Amino acid sequence: GESVGLHLPTLSVQEGDNSIINCAYSNSASDYFIWYKQESGKGPQFIIDIRSNMDKRQGQRVTVLLNKTVKHLSLQIAATQPGDSAVYFCAVLMTGFQKLVFGTGTRLLVSP
Amino acid sequence: DTEVTQTPKHLVMGMTNKKSLKCEQHMGHRAMYWYKQKAKKPPELMFVYSYEKLSINESVPSRFSPECPNSSLLNLHLHALQPEDSALYLCASSPPNRETQYFGPGTRLLVL
Repeated sequence: GESVGLHLPTLSVQEGDNSIINCAYSNSASDYFIWYKQESGKGPQFIIDIRSNMDKRQGQRVTVLLNKTVKHLSLQIAATQPGDSAVYFCAVLMTGFQKLVFGTGTRLLVSP
Repeated sequence: DTEVTQTPKHLVMGMTNKKSLKCEQHMGHRAMYWYKQKAKKPPELMFVYSYEKLSINESVPSRFSPECPNSSLLNLHLHALQPEDSALYLCASSPPNRETQYFGPGTRLLVL
């Protein structure tokens, strides 16, 4: 099986700072990783994904880093804005299996 | 059209009621999912439909009955629910040959 954990339940940052949210997974056969953002009262919103054949992927203001050696991934948000305040989940999957396993979530609080 | 829609947005039902949750997508996705999310917890997988056939049932009680009438629609029929079934019910879909799951806004269910 797979278990996924996040390192911090809450992360508080100032507007304009860079934010880093971390996630650890247990199964070395996991090969697809997704970050979701969930705002209050809404469904999870896809942010960025990465496959195990990569160690870094960049999007708009977001970067995902994957370290397969220690089974760790992180989401970096540049120039964090108040609109980034939400709960962030990492989710992990093995190719061929349809079950996403979610981490426990980190609440990002951005203060002006 | 690039979204998953869910109706109703909110639902209150008694333990003897029968109700249905609906999910729709018109993105040509061939896998659809039901998740349950309790407050301050990550989503938990309930059911997966792949090409309109049930492929995963995560040992969900029979008072929850999924149905996939066609490739765009997914229903969740509810009967004789318990108060502990109160939660946010999320639908998701994923494209053919891709594992990325895209979520709807959810139905917030309260069982009295």
